[in-house]
Amino acid sequence: EAQVTQNPRYLITVTGKKLTVTCSQNMNHEYMSWYRQDPGLGLRQIYYSMNVEVTDKGDVPEGYKVSRKEKRNFPLILESPSPNQTSLYFCASSTGQMSSYNEQFFGPGTRLTVL
Amino acid sequence: AQSVSQHNHHVILSEAASLELGCNYSYGGTVNLFWYVQYPGQHLQLLLKYFSGDPLVKGIKGFEAEFIKSKFSFNLRKPSVQWSDTAEYFCAVNAIENTDKLIFGTGTRLQVFP
Repeated sequence: EAQVTQNPRYLITVTGKKLTVTCSQNMNHEYMSWYRQDPGLGLRQIYYSMNVEVTDKGDVPEGYKVSRKEKRNFPLILESPSPNQTSLYFCASSTGQMSSYNEQFFGPGTRLTVL
Repeated sequence: AQSVSQHNHHVILSEAASLELGCNYSYGGTVNLFWYVQYPGQHLQLLLKYFSGDPLVKGIKGFEAEFIKSKFSFNLRKPSVQWSDTAEYFCAVNAIENTDKLIFGTGTRLQVFP
C-alpha cells in the first residue's frame, strides 16, 4: 500500500532534549516536505527536499533541521526543542516533477508536546 | 508573497443544509488550487483540485468548487451536508513556478449536527 509513515505519532518531551521525528514513503517520491499545523494558522511548511541531499527552508524553519540521505526517508530534527514547537507535524511527499504539480500525500501526523 | 485566506473559521450546520466555504488567494500568476479535508484525528486527504480547463471542479463525496479567476477565489460547495462531513477543510494554492510547494489557508472547521 502506497503510504507516508511517521514515527512517533505522539511525543511528550522536555525543553532542550533533542528529538527526531521520522518520515518514510514507499512511493519513490522525490519531493518531501514537513509542515506544522497550529490552530488558526493552518499548515505552514518547515523544510522541503527536492531530492536526495537537496533540502531547503520553508516558511518556518527556525529551530528545526532535516536531512535527506535516502530517497525514502526525511527525518525532522529538533536539536533543542522549546514549548513554542508544541504542534501537530505532518510529513508529505510527491513525485516532484518540474513544471507540473503533483499531488502531495500526507502522513498521519505527529503530535508533539514540549514541556 | 502568496497567501490564502479562508474567512469562515468555524461553520455550524444542520444536516441537509447547503454549504459554501470561501477561499481567496493572492498571487498574480498561474496557480493550481486544492481543497483538503481533515477528519477528526486523521491526516489530510485531497478533496478536489483545479489545474486548468472547466472552472467548476467536482470532487469526492459530492463536493465541488468553482474557480473564479477575476475574484481570485476557489469556493467549496456542497448542496446537502451530512453529519459525516464534520471535519476541518483547508484551501491550498500552488504557484506553477514553485513546483510542489503548497500554501495553505488557516482552515475552516465544519460541524454538522443531525
